Amino acid sequence: AQSVSQHNHHVILSEAASLELGCNYSYGGTVNLFWYVQYPGQHLQLLLKYFSGDPLVKGIKGFEAEFIKSKFSFNLRKPSVQWSDTAEYFCAVNARAAGNKLTFGGGTRVLVKP
Amino acid sequence: EAGVAQSPRYKIIEKRQSVAFWCNPISGHATLYWYQQILGQGPKLLIQFQNNGVVDDSQLPKDRFSAERLKGVDSTLKIQPAKLEDSAVYLCASSYDPSGLQEQFFGPGTRLTVL
Repeated sequence: AQSVSQHNHHVILSEAASLELGCNYSYGGTVNLFWYVQYPGQHLQLLLKYFSGDPLVKGIKGFEAEFIKSKFSFNLRKPSVQWSDTAEYFCAVNARAAGNKLTFGGGTRVLVKP
Repeated sequence: EAGVAQSPRYKIIEKRQSVAFWCNPISGHATLYWYQQILGQGPKLLIQFQNNGVVDDSQLPKDRFSAERLKGVDSTLKIQPAKLEDSAVYLCASSYDPSGLQEQFFGPGTRLTVL
């Protein structure tokens, strides 16, 4: 079945460390890619999105993601995390092949130790 | 700008009982979504409305789940009868764009526990 996969379920790191969260999808054709974040006690909210153009997209709070079409990947990165980045991160794909439904990965819980 | 409102925030029921969830989207958002998020998984789309019409309900278990958006604003999602596997967080989201290409704004969710 077509899907969105996030490689890590849990990540623990210290402040100032670099973060990279993997996301792979299996849809062919046109895709639009998103990362959503859920901070503790808050709603899911959009971190960044990619539709077309420059495959390196920048989002809020210093996050960026790179779309690599040949690898069907859309990995999220932040060079230096803060304690406030503790959250659950979800990759999501809107694919024409899936009827333009937004399909989420399983999420990665990130804990940043102060 | 007020966000997406949902109620109740928590609900505990026994299996075979019925339950209903309510959602009020952001004003002016014609597109409304209901998602089910089982613990440890990402949200899964149950149904999408455009105004008061259903756009996609292919993943809605129609034998027990129903949803409506009669006046194109508020929406209710009902489960009758509930099963143990329905324990999950039910998220409502809205968007001004029906194509799914723009940001969806999520509510706080209703956490359902079926005993």
